[in-house]
Amino acid sequence: GQQVMQIPQYQHVQEGEDFTTYCNSSTTLSNIQWYKQRPGGHPVFLIQLVKSGEVKKQKRLTFQFGEAKKNSSLHITATQTTDVGTYFCADPNDMRFGAGTRLTVKP
Amino acid sequence: KAGVTQTPRYLIKTRGQQVTLSCSPISGHRSVSWYQQTPGQGLQFLFEYFSETQRNKGNFPGRFSGRQFSNSRSEMNVSTLELGDSALYLCASSERTSGISDTQYFGPGTRLTVL
Repeated sequence: GQQVMQIPQYQHVQEGEDFTTYCNSSTTLSNIQWYKQRPGGHPVFLIQLVKSGEVKKQKRLTFQFGEAKKNSSLHITATQTTDVGTYFCADPNDMRFGAGTRLTVKP
Repeated sequence: KAGVTQTPRYLIKTRGQQVTLSCSPISGHRSVSWYQQTPGQGLQFLFEYFSETQRNKGNFPGRFSGRQFSNSRSEMNVSTLELGDSALYLCASSERTSGISDTQYFGPGTRLTVL
């Protein structure tokens, strides 16, 4: 089974609302990666977090790595229809992916 | 640079047959990983090859095998196909330099349907 747990499994929001997906690991992670997969597409790398407590931003996306390096989150501010897709976290050292959070956005 | 390519893109097989999928990594990338993606199980790691050697292996039966050639191209083989093998098979390449894990670049996948 997967060692990286991700919630929620699905999230449906109205355009303009915020969205957050959470990733939790049972073990301390060296680093964590986030990917986005559009419907019908393949996973595309978004970012990698390495340091404890690290926060990185990409426009409306904010990525955080927990102090204990056991959890991470991706927050999207003011979602747009282009944000639709499934967001995965991944432990690249163990080649494990979270189950993903599928985001749908209602215009 | 050209991206990761996978062939074929779609494949229909019947139970008991075998199948070979191919992946060409980004030029200069020496690591190729394979994943199985299904709606129920998500992205499951199959194996990773680096410089023609299997470096990591997921929890899949021996019917799933792979290899990597000297030009880094990789193939995976599934023998004695079962209905449950129907999935999107994704290949990802990375530079796999030492130290911090590298970004994985995924190919478009091969959609395998087993009837």
